Amino acid sequence: EVQVVQSGAEVKKPGESLKISCKGSGYSFTTYWIGWVRQMPGKGLEWIGIIYPDDSDTRYSPSFQGQVAISADKSISTAYLQWSSLKASDTAMYYCARYSGTYTFFDYWGQGTLVTVSS
Amino acid sequence: QSALTQPPSASGSLGQSVTISCSGTSSDVGGYNYVSWYQQHPGKAPKLMICEVTKRPSGVPDRFSGSKSGNTASLTVSGLQAEDEADYYCSSYAGSNNLIFGGGTKLTVL
Repeated sequence: EVQVVQSGAEVKKPGESLKISCKGSGYSFTTYWIGWVRQMPGKGLEWIGIIYPDDSDTRYSPSFQGQVAISADKSISTAYLQWSSLKASDTAMYYCARYSGTYTFFDYWGQGTLVTVSS
Repeated sequence: QSALTQPPSASGSLGQSVTISCSGTSSDVGGYNYVSWYQQHPGKAPKLMICEVTKRPSGVPDRFSGSKSGNTASLTVSGLQAEDEADYYCSSYAGSNNLIFGGGTKLTVL
């Protein structure tokens, strides 16, 4: 059974760094892209970017380029989304999902990680 | 890069059909057959309902169908059931390894 399991909720202060994780199981982790999606409170879905764990090829939405970093450790089937300096506007639910790079859809989603940034 | 345009809300009575539109441009919806639809219930993760414009993943009821004409894609839900009440989002490949989502449509089952 394919599963995508994300790390737990985080509460951080502005300026702090953060790395959240997403572990895939039940499939060959290195042969599927995996991506991240943001959902701000009460708002819609926004595509952040994707990574191919086998070679760490990474693509970012222009809106998020330079704002976050996506990485992966294929030895433990885990992808990451990282911030070096959080802002209050980063407060959102972040979803990780397996991505079909050929047909551009997310087929298996994680449960989401709520990131709250507040002083 | 603007979001795809969806109506904020849609509604239909139990057993009836409802269609949700998703408007884009020739650079996204109109340029590729890579439109997907997601269902999201409150407090839950999105769920893939339609991919590649018309394809239903395994386990998705055949009451859900997708189509596209020009720069506009559509999701039709037939035989509305109470559990279909949710937010629905479209997405489309937009070239250069970019994906964009629609703003979402809240479907109410009357």
